[in-house]
Amino acid sequence: GEDVEQSLFLSVREGDSSVINCTYTDSSSTYLYWYKQEPGAGLQLLTYIFSNMDMKQDQRLTVLLNKKDKHLSLRIADTQTGDSAIYFCAESWGDDKIIFGKGTRLHILP
Amino acid sequence: EAQVTQNPRYLITVTGKKLTVTCSQNMNHEYMSWYRQDPGLGLRQIYYSMNVEVTDKGDVPEGYKVSRKEKRNFPLILESPSPNQTSLYFCASSLSGGRWDTQYFGPGTRLTVL
Repeated sequence: GEDVEQSLFLSVREGDSSVINCTYTDSSSTYLYWYKQEPGAGLQLLTYIFSNMDMKQDQRLTVLLNKKDKHLSLRIADTQTGDSAIYFCAESWGDDKIIFGKGTRLHILP
Repeated sequence: EAQVTQNPRYLITVTGKKLTVTCSQNMNHEYMSWYRQDPGLGLRQIYYSMNVEVTDKGDVPEGYKVSRKEKRNFPLILESPSPNQTSLYFCASSLSGGRWDTQYFGPGTRLTVL
């Protein structure tokens, strides 16, 4: 069946770049998402990419999509303490189906 | 197998007819929550529960009720559904709602209110 996998934990020094990786199994997905969950809060949509794109950049965030390898990554430039959170990768097919990964905990070192 | 289950998976109903979407987890998790997902809006939290008999509002609680009488179950109740509640709903659970807890999501419930 469909599955979304991501690394569970990432530790990065403040000011460095963070790269969070995700792999998915279904090549027919239409959208791929990155969500952020801060402590005590719900999920916040961070960014998304259409499956026919290779890259999307939004300020400090860069999303890269490798359709051949079914690999999605989120790069956060100049990581700050406020970036400390759990990041969820998700893939969807239109409005009817979405599958989330279990989340990557990003820990910022001083 | 550790999982979060939701029922029904698909539901079409009419305005004003009360409905309940069930959510159950078998991991003895303390924290459970409900989200709705709408195109362009991402996931928004409706209600959450830190433990039995402890519930609190999320970002979009209007028109919804929840209850947490048992640890494993967290039903979402729509007393008088309206078309703007047509959405894709997710239940989720985690060990304690803590900072580093993994959140497990159910498969989703597609609700259409006519």
